[in-house]
Amino acid sequence: AQKITQTQPGMFVQEKEAVTLDCTYDTSDPSYGLFWYKQPSSGEMIFLIYQGSYDQQNATEGRYSLNFQKARKSANLVISASQLGDSAMYFCAMRVGGTSYGKLTFGQGTILTVHP
Amino acid sequence: GAGVSQSPSNKVTEKGKDVELRCDPISGHTALYWYRQRLGQGLEFLIYFQGNSAPDKSGLPSDRFSAERTGESVSTLTIQRTQQEDSAVYLCASSLTSGTHNEQFFGPGTRLTVL
Repeated sequence: AQKITQTQPGMFVQEKEAVTLDCTYDTSDPSYGLFWYKQPSSGEMIFLIYQGSYDQQNATEGRYSLNFQKARKSANLVISASQLGDSAMYFCAMRVGGTSYGKLTFGQGTILTVHP
Repeated sequence: GAGVSQSPSNKVTEKGKDVELRCDPISGHTALYWYRQRLGQGLEFLIYFQGNSAPDKSGLPSDRFSAERTGESVSTLTIQRTQQEDSAVYLCASSLTSGTHNEQFFGPGTRLTVL
């Protein structure tokens, strides 16, 4: 069975600073994908970034980057130059198996608060 | 283009009643997913459709829960004889199946309250 663990219930960061949100995962399948989603207080789920298990380089999307350490089974999200609008719940999720679609297993989330 | 839509946005029902939740996926998205999110929690997978078949329904919590999908279009999640523990936000998502990672696009959810 697969599992995602997010150990930080809440994180605080000053505006314009960088912040790292932790995510560790557990699966015995060698083929998997890791996703990060943002959920603002409005409730919508917004896709941020993806990392495949066979990807050689860490994924980056604008101010978001994924610090992928395969041996440690961690996929931490780094947000650079935090903005007030980054305040939200952040979820790490995993899909296992050789297909590029299928169910996601989510962690419990981290609430990020950005202070001015 | 239009995103994933869900209806109703809110549903209040009495314990023991049946409810139907509807999801309209993004046009052209072959895969459709249902998740449940309890207050302050992560998302729990319920069921996913590839076309109108359901290859994975492992997350349905009991036989009171069922879902169907018409072709590659609308899906309905039905909860029979609702219980108070069914209170949650029910999120629908859709995705392509042809890309490299096919991120899931989520609807706004249906907030279900069982009194």
